[in-house]
Formats: sequence, structure tokens, C-alpha cells
Amino acid sequence: DGGITQSPKYLFRKEGQNVTLSCEQNLNHDAMYWYRQDPGQGLRLIYYSQIVNDFQKGDIAEGYSVSREKKESFPLTVTSAQKNPTAFYLCASTLKPVSYNEQFFGPGTRLTVL
Amino acid sequence: GENVEQHPSTLSVQEGDSAVIKCTYSDSASNYFPWYKQELGKRPQLIIDIRSNVGEKKDQRIAVTLNKTAKHFSLHITETQPEDSAVYFCAASRGTSYGKLTFGQGTILTVHP
Repeated sequence: DGGITQSPKYLFRKEGQNVTLSCEQNLNHDAMYWYRQDPGQGLRLIYYSQIVNDFQKGDIAEGYSVSREKKESFPLTVTSAQKNPTAFYLCASTLKPVSYNEQFFGPGTRLTVL
Repeated sequence: GENVEQHPSTLSVQEGDSAVIKCTYSDSASNYFPWYKQELGKRPQLIIDIRSNVGEKKDQRIAVTLNKTAKHFSLHITETQPEDSAVYFCAASRGTSYGKLTFGQGTILTVHP
């Protein structure tokens, strides 16, 4: 599996710390997305970016921040303001930010707050 | 915004049986409905999708049906095999949503040999 990568695979954080999750793609995709996956709740959209230097909040953006300085990179920062950050985080990308485009997912990062 | 409900949350079948997973959506403007499969410890992958101008789509052992009037769509897997065991997610999207998907809660499918 190439194309879209996430690091690290596992991440442990102490309460009160900010952490940054990496997402990189070499598919030349314009749009990128961050989802949070919790058991029994499916995937919920945190932030998305249609193009470089542009991003919008998703359904559960509180306590998170992103940047999109390069087309291939879309890092997610989980801040100390996020009340329940322990979850599995998935990054995805699509060729264009339109419906009908398949979303390709990264392998995910499992974040645990100690 | 869009809301997608998925049922059942767990489904257990014997190898060779059929499996059906159902989703309902709330936004009548949604026009794209993909299904993703996530095997244990792996990333979600698209297995089939359907657009609102089509009522049914089939790909080998899997098929998806769409009822726009009732706002629901279903995934059908025939002749199930143990390797079909995974979590399945439905999703919905509208053309003006910049590719954003609203996912259902997921169905854990277990196929017993």
C-alpha cells in the first residue's frame, strides 16, 4: 500500500500536551480529509482541504487544528482543548474535491491519552 | 446536515449465505453512495458505489440498491466467504459538498466457515 501514508502508527500523549499527526500523499490529489473513528460511531469528519492553503471545519473540529502548506501534506494537531482525544485517526484524499471521487485512506494513527 | 443511519451493527452468517446491510439518509440532495470495507487493522477501502441516477449496481458477489423515494440504500453480499468478514461502512455525499462523506456507524460482518 503506497500513495497515502500516516505517521506514527501509535501515539501516546499526556493530558495537556498538543500532538501532531502526519499525513502525506503522493497521488497528486487536490483534496484531503481527516476523520476520527470511534467504536460504534463510524467515521466523523474533523477537517478537510480542497486545495493548498485552504481548509474548512468538518463536523467535529473543536480541539483540532490543521494546515495545508503543501499539496502532499495535511498534518492534524490534536490540542489540549480536545476533551476526549483517544481515538483512531484516518486521513484520506481524493483527486478533486467533488462527489463521485473515491476517497483513498491512509493506514491510520491510534492516539491514546495517558 | 446529512445524517446516515446503518443497520444492523453486527451481522453473523454462515459461509455461503447472503448478507444484507441497510442504510438510510436524511438529505434528499445526496446523490452519491459509496460502501467501504475495513478489515481488521487495515484502512477502509471502497468496494462499490452508486449514483442517484441508478437504482442498482452489481460487481460479482456484491450489489448495491438505492431507493431515492424512501431515502435508503442497501449492500447485498451473496455466497459469503470468511474473507468477507470485516467492518462495512455506508456513506452519502451531495454534489455541492466538496467531496465530503457522511458515514454510517458501521456493521461488523462475521462469516463463519
